[in-house]
Amino acid sequence: GDSVTQMEGPVTLSEEAFLTINCTYTATGYPSLFWYVQYPGEGLQLLLKATKADDKGSNKGFEATYRKETTSFHLEKGSVQVSDSAVYFCALAGGTNAGKSTFGDGTTLTVKP
Amino acid sequence: GAVVSQHPSRVICKSGTSVKIECRSLDFQATTMFWYRQFPKQSLMLMATSNEGSKATYEQGVEKDKFLINHASLTLSTLTVTSAHPEDSSFYICSARPPGTVGYEQYFGPGTRLTVT
Repeated sequence: GDSVTQMEGPVTLSEEAFLTINCTYTATGYPSLFWYVQYPGEGLQLLLKATKADDKGSNKGFEATYRKETTSFHLEKGSVQVSDSAVYFCALAGGTNAGKSTFGDGTTLTVKP
Repeated sequence: GAVVSQHPSRVICKSGTSVKIECRSLDFQATTMFWYRQFPKQSLMLMATSNEGSKATYEQGVEKDKFLINHASLTLSTLTVTSAHPEDSSFYICSARPPGTVGYEQYFGPGTRLTVT
């Protein structure tokens, strides 16, 4: 079945540092890929998405590129802020399990001033 | 657009009682909603897929008689935890997918923290 593997956390960075959170996936077909963010005590919010190979999703300074050849969708941001502290989930949908989503385990990011 | 609400945000109930959690899509109609459970510092576990006008589809290992799901309208799905026990304490999150969405993204409710004493 489908699976998503995320870089283990927690990740602690200083403000304005560069962020990379690795994500790789296994799926059949042509899934869409997502990054969701969860702030403490809240539900998940869609951060960005990519629906086909070589697509780049971007939002709020975050970017991720759908790499089919490496089955990856790494999340990057050039300069993180304290307000970016949250849990980040990589996910896919539209693969083996059709409309269901498969989530990674989440990576906790803490940004210190 | 694509706002999903949940109610209540927090609930405390006594062991043996039942509690109902509502999930509403506020600005779109959702033929399908999803219910997840999230344990502390863990990922989301899909419990069931809620289908308007038909029975929910439960994931393997989820007790359908304990977690009753009703998708009564195109904007409302409810999850009832029956005869709750302390081990049912968790963070429950619903999500919905607007019709015509390209790429299967979901929009999540803010979650409900259930504590069973």
